[in-house]
Amino acid sequence: DIQMTQSPSTLSASVGDRVTITCRASQSISNWLVWYQQKPGKAPKPLIYKASNLESGVPSRFSGSGSGTEFTLTISSLQPDDFATYYCRQYNYYPYTFGQGTKLEIK
Amino acid sequence: EVQLVESGGGLVQPGGSLRLSCAVSGFTFSSYWMNWVRQAPGKGLEWVANIKKDGSDIHYVDSVKGRFTISRDNAKNSVYLQMNSLRVEDTGVYYCTRLQNDGYDDYWGQGTLVTVSS
Repeated sequence: DIQMTQSPSTLSASVGDRVTITCRASQSISNWLVWYQQKPGKAPKPLIYKASNLESGVPSRFSGSGSGTEFTLTISSLQPDDFATYYCRQYNYYPYTFGQGTKLEIK
Repeated sequence: EVQLVESGGGLVQPGGSLRLSCAVSGFTFSSYWMNWVRQAPGKGLEWVANIKKDGSDIHYVDSVKGRFTISRDNAKNSVYLQMNSLRVEDTGVYYCTRLQNDGYDDYWGQGTLVTVSS
């Protein structure tokens, strides 16, 4: 199985900060990676698909990059609504596998 | 409006069975692969299974193979997850999701809670 490793596990930041979350795959997954945002008690919501494509309706402050084994999610200027947990997931190979999550907290 | 509504969760003893259902509306169900994803309490997400548009191709995570069965009824716009031989570690919220043609889940249901406990 492909192992997906996110870093950091927890990130403390302030409104207006630029933040980056990294996701590494244990082998190449080309660009078959999606980023999700999840708030407590809610279903995840897709932000970025195919590594760098912005999902419809998602603010442009979210961006994704990378290919192969290393990927990043960047939020250019944090807003209060962005404090949540973020997950990456590969969908190049079965079983589809998620990263362990990055909890973005208010500093 | 796209909607996915799960049902069928509940409390079951280890070794028991449950059948989850997901009723969808707002899109042409037979044109999409469908997924089940679960989340143990306070933990991360785990992909469980998916099924092709016509049911002809199915995949499972190893931990549920031989115990869970995914199926769909395109006439009823519904996807199902039959769960047998349930274990304590199967406890969690089970989400039904729609797979976009690009292969990622673009719509999720609200989830249904499965608790396996004696």
